[in-house]
Amino acid sequence: EAGVTQFPSHSVIEKGQTVTLRCDPISGHDNLYWYRRVMGKEIKFLLHFVKESKQDESGMPNNRFLAERTGGTYSTLKVQPAELEDSGVYFCASSLRGTGPSYEQYFGPGTRLTVT
Amino acid sequence: AQRVTQPEKLLSVFKGAPVELKCNYSYSGSPELFWYVQYSRQRLQLLLRHISRESIKGFTADLNKGETSFHLKKPFAQEEDSAMYYCALPTQGGSEKLVFGKGMKLTVNP
Repeated sequence: EAGVTQFPSHSVIEKGQTVTLRCDPISGHDNLYWYRRVMGKEIKFLLHFVKESKQDESGMPNNRFLAERTGGTYSTLKVQPAELEDSGVYFCASSLRGTGPSYEQYFGPGTRLTVT
Repeated sequence: AQRVTQPEKLLSVFKGAPVELKCNYSYSGSPELFWYVQYSRQRLQLLLRHISRESIKGFTADLNKGETSFHLKKPFAQEEDSAMYYCALPTQGGSEKLVFGKGMKLTVNP
């Protein structure tokens, strides 16, 4: 199995442009998470989908970020317009659906976003 | 609020030396804690979780509720242990999102 995949692996854009990141979770995993690591800081939660529904989007920094998971399969995270402080590594993770936190989250390789 | 603290950013040891990567947490109730590892050019992966009480790649971690710690230990470090290590805590409230520490880079020298 390929595991969680993310595209692109690296994106360099100018301030004010739009970027869309994609995540394909492991087949059968209902839970999908987005995290971000800004340079020098810890990995931080952005949002959580259960199937196509947003379970928790408390970590989304502002309304320039829009996440979708149509059909409950892959997810996209769009940043529009991008700002310099959006630079970082965006991770996606997926896990089986469960009622507690014991289900392992499997991480993708991340997308490194650089805003210039 | 749930919080994870990894007080040291870097640790460099020689092969065969013992290592201890510190993790302290803030949590009300019974926490469930994880150690994740990211080797060079690989993805973040689960190393071990405290409920398993198992040793993975020679690493162990004991949950100490009195000291609110979950330190990762290995008696004899190997060069292949060089990596970034993150302590993580799932939050309460149903989201199951992970709160991470800032991570620690372990370098094991030959």
